[in-house]
Amino acid sequence: DVKVTQSSRYLVKRTGEKVFLECVQDMDHENMFWYRQDPGLGLRLIYFSYDVKMKEKGDIPEGYSVSREKKERFSLILESASTNQTSMYLCASSLSGKGNQPQHFGDGTRLSIL
Amino acid sequence: KQEVTQIPAALSVPEGENLVLNCSFTDSAIYNLQWFRQDPGKGLTSLLLIQSSQREQTSGRLNASLDKSSGRSTLYIAASQPGDSATYLCAAESNDYKLSFGAGTTVTVRA
Repeated sequence: DVKVTQSSRYLVKRTGEKVFLECVQDMDHENMFWYRQDPGLGLRLIYFSYDVKMKEKGDIPEGYSVSREKKERFSLILESASTNQTSMYLCASSLSGKGNQPQHFGDGTRLSIL
Repeated sequence: KQEVTQIPAALSVPEGENLVLNCSFTDSAIYNLQWFRQDPGKGLTSLLLIQSSQREQTSGRLNASLDKSSGRSTLYIAASQPGDSATYLCAAESNDYKLSFGAGTTVTVRA
C-alpha cells in the first residue's frame, strides 16, 4: 500500500514565523502535490512537482514556496506565516502516466497561525 | 478553468438504502474522474478512478459512471451501512496532472 506521511498532525505557529510542512512518500512516485482545505472552499492546489527539483504553481501559490531535493520528500514552506494561512494542509502523490493513476493522500496537517 | 459541482451537499439515509451521489464538471477535456472518501479530520482515500475512455468502474458495493459529453459522474453505493458515513469528493484530472475538486457530499447513514 502507498504510504504518504505528513510530519505533523497539528501545528501551532505565530504570525511572521517561517513554517515548514514536510511530506514523505514511500512508493517512488514522480508527482507530489500540496493542497489546502478550507470549509466552503474545498481543496485548492498550492504547488505540485512532477520530478526532483521541479515545481509548478497551483491555483493559490501566493505566500508559499516548496522544495523537492529528493524524490520521496516534498516540503511546503510558509515564508512569513499569516493568520489567513490557518488551514488543513494535505499532501498527495501519484505515479506518472496520464489518465490512470489515482492520487494518494496523507492524513493532513492542521495548522493554526496565531 | 474547470468547475466541479457536487449535489446534494449533504444526505441522510437509513441503513440498507442505496446512495446516489452526483458530480458535474464544466470542461469535458478530462483525463479521468476520481472519487474519494474523507473521514472527519483525516486525509482522502481513493475509491475509484474512471479513465476518460471508460463509462464506469466498480469496486465491491461501489459503482461510478462517467458521461463526458454531459459533464457528469455518479457514484452509487449499494446497501448502505453506518460505516459508509463520510464526505465523498469527486475530482476531475486535467492534462497537467491537476485535480479540480468538488466541495463534497456529506453522507450520514442512520442505523
